[in-house]
Amino acid sequence: GQSLEQPSEVTAVEGAIVQINCTYQTSGFYGLSWYQQHDGGAPTFLSYNGLDGLEETGRFSSFLSRSDSYGYLLLQELQMKDSASYFCALLYNQGGKLIFGQGTELSVKP
Amino acid sequence: DGGITQSPKYLFRKEGQNVTLSCEQNLNHDAMYWYRQDPGQGLRLIYYSQIVNDFQKGDIAEGYSVSREKKESFPLTVTSAQKNPTAFYLCASSPQGVPGELFFGEGSRLTVL
Repeated sequence: GQSLEQPSEVTAVEGAIVQINCTYQTSGFYGLSWYQQHDGGAPTFLSYNGLDGLEETGRFSSFLSRSDSYGYLLLQELQMKDSASYFCALLYNQGGKLIFGQGTELSVKP
Repeated sequence: DGGITQSPKYLFRKEGQNVTLSCEQNLNHDAMYWYRQDPGQGLRLIYYSQIVNDFQKGDIAEGYSVSREKKESFPLTVTSAQKNPTAFYLCASSPQGVPGELFFGEGSRLTVL
């Protein structure tokens, strides 16, 4: 089966660092992606981990550990514009069956 | 500019009517997808297509139908058999050989009265 768990809400202050966790239960997948979605908008791709370890893209980093069935998105130097929903998603085949978690709403406070 | 165009952006329909949502992409991507999003929820996969004239059911295909006659186009029909069709519908595409990255359209918000 396919099941991803994320916290529903996270709050942090501007300039801080926040980590959004994603745990999963699945029988096999290719990799883990992260997406950002602002209210009412289209999701936008942030990162993909095909291998275990850390991927860094500017202020955002993503991590995957297959042995722990766990990944996370790390956002540094938080800005107000980072307030959005963040989704982890598992890729099940190269053609791209991508299954999303329920999302984490991040609120960044001044 | 390349991108994915969904239309209409907002749509109101009476219960029992079929409705077709358009999705066109000029990114030359092979794979296309339809997701449904309900308020405060994640994205749930309805159908996806990896190549022209072929498509697969996602997790919530019941009450929906699709076609993929052209690479650029992947329309979704919400039929009267769909029990709760009011939702935000998102179309996406992805290029061959680029795992995990989808490009999304701006969505179509369907309200059934």
